[in-house]
Order: sequence, then structure tokens, then C-alpha cells
Amino acid sequence: SQQGEEDPQALSIQEGENATMNCSYKTSINNLQWYRQNSGRGLVHLILIRSNEREKHSGRLRVTLDTSKKSSSLLITASRAADTASYFCATLTGGGNKLTFGTGTQLKVEL
Amino acid sequence: KAGVTQTPRYLIKTRGQQVTLSCSPISGHRSVSWYQQTPGQGLQFLFEYFSETQRNKGNFPGRFSGRQFSNSRSEMNVSTLELGDSALYLCASSLSTGSAFFGQGTRLTVV
Repeated sequence: SQQGEEDPQALSIQEGENATMNCSYKTSINNLQWYRQNSGRGLVHLILIRSNEREKHSGRLRVTLDTSKKSSSLLITASRAADTASYFCATLTGGGNKLTFGTGTQLKVEL
Repeated sequence: KAGVTQTPRYLIKTRGQQVTLSCSPISGHRSVSWYQQTPGQGLQFLFEYFSETQRNKGNFPGRFSGRQFSNSRSEMNVSTLELGDSALYLCASSLSTGSAFFGQGTRLTVV
């Protein structure tokens, strides 16, 4: 079952603009991870934020986590056509490495 | 460091047959997880193996099984294939817990 929803389901922007995707989840988490997927291929790990962290940066990526609202956001700054992909959030709960994925956001960056 | 390797990349099987998929994790990673991705259900967790023991299991029927070898390589098996088993099967490797790194997936088509 899906842990939560991602919003929006689809997003179309122009190159150079910023893209923001939101993820909501239902239960307490150990960490939350964001992934990118191009055209039904493998998932590429982007960033991990722990439950005791509020914000994290990696290059053009900025992730925030609000555990009180059970939500996270991924901001991609100065987007490029190569950022066109589906983006998924995934939460890690309990023991082990069982990830529960959101429904994903399809991002299209146009030239 | 080599990434996660899944073989084969594509498979076509007939209903009722069985199939075995293979996953070689990143060197040093002892946790291997398997996921099924379909357009209707999204990304669903199948099971996780750690040091040759199943550590977590998703909500899939017993036709789906897996194992892990002493070198951390893992296989998953699906018996008595159904049309609904057509999907992208993804393998992820991790250290004990933390970021999961995915392979390119095996696309299984059941006809």
C-alpha cells in the first residue's frame, strides 16, 4: 500500500524555473528519501533526510521535512530539460529497509 | 564502485510458468530489497533480505519468494505466473539501514 500522496501528480515548467513537489505520509518515520526515475527505468537516489532533520541541501536540491504535518517537499532550483522525470518520495519505518513509496510527481521541463 | 546489477533486463514468459530474477548488490551492502512497479499499484515492497535472512515481507502471495546467498546476491522467484505479474521488478541494496540504491530493473511481461 502507498504511504501517502505526492502533489502535484504532474508539473510542467520552463527551463530555469524552480520546481516544487510535495509528499505527505501517514505514520512516524525513521527517514524520508527522494528518488528520480526516467521513463520506467531504475530509481536514482537523490537525497535522504532523517526524522530529526528539518532541511537538507544537495546541489540544486533542497528538501524540507515537517514531521508534525507528516509532509516533505523537494525543491529543484534552476531546472533543466534533463530534470524531466518522475520523482518519488519514500519513507522508512520500523526495522530494516522496507521503503513505502508515494504516488510520484511527473515533472516535465521544457526548453 | 559498481552499482546494483539486475539480470535479465527483459523477460517474456507464459502464464503458468515460473521465473527467477537475479540481483547483485553494491559491494559491502548486506541488505537487498525487492519491489514491484506497475502503473496501477505503483511501487510495492515485496521483501527484504539481510545476511541471508528475510527481514521484512510485503503483502504478496506465496507465489513470490526470494533468497539471499552468502555473497549477498539475491534471487526472487515467481511461480505460476499470472498476467497481473507483468511489471518492472526493482532490486535495491543498502548498508544495514539508510539510503537504498536501485538497479535498472527487470521488465517482466507475462503473456
